[in-house]
Amino acid sequence: DAGVIQSPRHEVTEMGQEVTLRCKPISGHDYLFWYRQTMMRGLELLIYFNNNVPIDDSGMPEDRFSAKMPNASFSTLKIQPSEPRDSAVYFCASRLLVYEQFFGPGTRLTVL
Amino acid sequence: AQRVTQPEKLLSVFKGAPVELKCNYSYSGSPELFWYVQYSRQRLQLLLRHISRESIKGFTADLNKGETSFHLKKPFAQEEDSAMYYCALSRGSTLGRLYFGRGTQLTVWP
Repeated sequence: DAGVIQSPRHEVTEMGQEVTLRCKPISGHDYLFWYRQTMMRGLELLIYFNNNVPIDDSGMPEDRFSAKMPNASFSTLKIQPSEPRDSAVYFCASRLLVYEQFFGPGTRLTVL
Repeated sequence: AQRVTQPEKLLSVFKGAPVELKCNYSYSGSPELFWYVQYSRQRLQLLLRHISRESIKGFTADLNKGETSFHLKKPFAQEEDSAMYYCALSRGSTLGRLYFGRGTQLTVWP
C-alpha cells in the first residue's frame, strides 16, 4: 500500500483563487482527518470523517473552508476564496477503528 | 476541556547526552497519550503510545497521572533523532480525534 496519498504536493496560488486539496486514505480505513500545520499554531485538526460522514468540523476556520468525502477512497478540502493567511502545510491522515493514525506527505500551500 | 502542552518549542542537545521532551496534559477522564515524530521531509508518524509500554528507537515515555505528564526520554541521543516531536492525547479508548501539542523541534549536535 502506498499509504495516504495527497495531491498536489505543492500549490502556489494568488489571493482570491479557489484551492482544492485532495486525499486518498489507506484502503479499508474508516476515519479520515484533515490537519493544518503552521509555525505559529502547530498542528491543528480542521475536520474529521467516520465512514464518510463529517463528525467534527469545529476546527474549520471559517466558511471559506469546506471538506467533502464522497466515498471511502477520496476526500477534498476546498478553500474559496483563498487568503495569504491560509498558507500552511495541510495534512490528511487515515485510521482504522482505534488503531494508529497514518499521515500523508502533506500539501504545502502558498497563497500570494 | 482537554489540552496538551509542550513547553519547549526548541531543544538542543549533544550526541550521547540524555534528552527529555516534556509533555503535560489536562483532561479529567482517562486519556490515551501518544508521541508522534516528523523527520525532515518525511511524514508524521507514530513513535509510541502509552498503552503499548514499549521502547521505540531507544525512546520511552511513562504516563504520570499524578503530574499529568507524558515526557519522552532517551538516555543517549543520536544525530538521527533530530526531528519535530508532537505529543497527542485521545479521550479514552474510543479515540475519535487526537489533540496535539504545538511540537518540540529537537536538534542533536554531533
